[in-house]
Amino acid sequence: DAGVIQSPRHEVTEMGQEVTLRCKPISGHNSLFWYRQTMMRGLELLIYFNNNVPIDDSGMPEDRFSAKMPNASFSTLKIQPSEPRDSAVYFCASSFRWHEQYFGPGTRLTVT
Amino acid sequence: AQTVTQSQPEMSVQEAETVTLSCTYDTSENNYYLFWYKQPPSRQMILVIRQEAYKQQNATENRFSVNFQKAAKSFSLKISDSQLGDTAMYFCAFPFQGAQKLVFGQGTRLTINP
Repeated sequence: DAGVIQSPRHEVTEMGQEVTLRCKPISGHNSLFWYRQTMMRGLELLIYFNNNVPIDDSGMPEDRFSAKMPNASFSTLKIQPSEPRDSAVYFCASSFRWHEQYFGPGTRLTVT
Repeated sequence: AQTVTQSQPEMSVQEAETVTLSCTYDTSENNYYLFWYKQPPSRQMILVIRQEAYKQQNATENRFSVNFQKAAKSFSLKISDSQLGDTAMYFCAFPFQGAQKLVFGQGTRLTINP
């Protein structure tokens, strides 16, 4: 299997622009997770889906952040409008067996 | 509250030595899993090892093993015959309130010196 696929790997954008991060989970996995990693806050769970349904979005920082999972093989995390403090590495992870998550390579987002 | 604590921000050992990374956690759950993840400079998060709390036997994956002390709520990772490629951040992780969401420790930066 190709593993979890994320795109783009790097994104540089200006403050106020819309940013869309994409994720393709491992085939057959039924749960998908979006994390954000920064030096200050470490690794934070933003939202997770089970069978394409959002289960817990309590980690989503603001209304500027939204996530969708239209089908079992695709999810997006959107930031609109973006701000410099959103600069971080964003990871997508998926799982099938309970609790065992496999991570994608991450998207490094820089907002100037 | 459920927390995961890694008390060693940084560690450094010579190649081929054995090193142990510590992790403690707090939970009221009885059945759960614990995980160690590795994040090398490439930043990819890699699952290293998993321990199931109901199993008394400590998990082992090649050079990686755990020392799981359920009563003490301790879950340390031992790396034997360390290699340069083991240089990475290591995170201990624990499921929050029995759910699928994981809580990660602050991480231990491990450097293997030649």
